[in-house]
Amino acid sequence: QVQLQESGPGLVKPSKTVSLTCSISGVSISSLYWWSWVRQTPGKGLEWIGEVWHTGSTNYNPSLKSRVTLSVDKAKNQFSLNLTSVTAADTAVYYCATVNAASGYISADWGQGALVTVSS
Amino acid sequence: DIQMTQSPSSLSASVGDRVTISCRASQTPTTNLHWFQQKPGKAPKLLIYGVSTLQSGVPSRFRGSGSGTDFTLTISSLQPEDFATYFCQQTYTTPYTFGQGTKLEI
Repeated sequence: QVQLQESGPGLVKPSKTVSLTCSISGVSISSLYWWSWVRQTPGKGLEWIGEVWHTGSTNYNPSLKSRVTLSVDKAKNQFSLNLTSVTAADTAVYYCATVNAASGYISADWGQGALVTVSS
Repeated sequence: DIQMTQSPSSLSASVGDRVTISCRASQTPTTNLHWFQQKPGKAPKLLIYGVSTLQSGVPSRFRGSGSGTDFTLTISSLQPEDFATYFCQQTYTTPYTFGQGTKLEI
């Protein structure tokens, strides 16, 4: 059973970079999943940020591509999100989730979410 | 991007009712159309994938249908635990996109 757990700072100052990590248990990061990030705000709803394969290959949402970097750490069985130049509009709950390409790219496993607030 | 539009945005119903939630895509997601349920403070939970396949453990009162650009989630007999927000999602092309949600209220 796949379990995901997000971690990171709850509060980030505007113009800074927010870094979030998703710790994976129950499966190797090298298994046949893409590893994704989704965020949720009251105003924009659910927004797919991007996904990373265990090789480091990535797909990003064009709306965020210039500010987002996803990466994997095989030794720690984790993957990470870096979002630069944050503004109040980046205040959201950030979820990590699996993407199963063998089943139509479904996200059956999600972390519990991490609230990130951008404020000075 | 494929835009996903759900209707209605909110819906009031009673236990035992049959309800239908619609999801329209700006272009066909083929069969890569999925439904999620979300309760306050929790992550989305996958209910139905591939238009009509029930995720393991999901009660059979949930049913997904549709094709092309029009899809439907039907709950045949509402139970108290079904009052939540429902989202559709397409994963046919990146960026994967979600509907804005339908809040099902008592």
